[in-house]
Amino acid sequence: EAQVTQNPRYLITVTGKKLTVTCSQNMNHEYMSWYRQDPGLGLRQIYYSMNVEVTDKGDVPEGYKVSRKEKRNFPLILESPSPNQTSLYFCASSLSVGTSGSGRQYFGPGTRLTVL
Amino acid sequence: DAKTTQPPSMDCAEGRAANLPCNHSTISGNEYVYWYRQIHSQGPQYIIHGLKNNETNEMASLIITEDRKSSTLILPHATLRDTAVYYCIVMDSWGKLQFGAGTQVVVTP
Repeated sequence: EAQVTQNPRYLITVTGKKLTVTCSQNMNHEYMSWYRQDPGLGLRQIYYSMNVEVTDKGDVPEGYKVSRKEKRNFPLILESPSPNQTSLYFCASSLSVGTSGSGRQYFGPGTRLTVL
Repeated sequence: DAKTTQPPSMDCAEGRAANLPCNHSTISGNEYVYWYRQIHSQGPQYIIHGLKNNETNEMASLIITEDRKSSTLILPHATLRDTAVYYCIVMDSWGKLQFGAGTQVVVTP
């Protein structure tokens, strides 16, 4: 089954304790992206990657890191989490980008993160 | 980056058509318009996309104006399960995406 998986689905942690949220897709997609969603703000893009070893900042990259060492995985790293990073996080992938018509995004189920 | 604006909320009676507008006045000539919806806190679900021509699939129809500065998503026969937040987005050639707050659609019996 074509899908995007995220782990963990729920996480409660404390300020400053490094964490990684994994994202994996099995569709051989080139494009992957991370979003955060806060009440009333819709989805905001954190980082995205057009292909292996290529990553770029979205609208809210501060406090986050990503890597794209292989095509299927795009982990989100919080080196020193803070309470303002408490949010719902989504990973997504697509075959390509918007101008090709192949930019349909497949979303993961989400990771609910709480930083105390 | 092409930004989109949508009304914050909309009500629709079950069985009637729901017409959701979206403005994207800064869209570039080769950028596609995509529509997604999100039910509760689930991952957004793709609905439809288009470039210039009107599009239809099993879920909805997409009408894009000739100048491409706005579009309308049409849910032909709304059901209670169509209650969701609907997002209209434009994806640029560099991969940057801005979702905005979307339109909360409530379908009532």
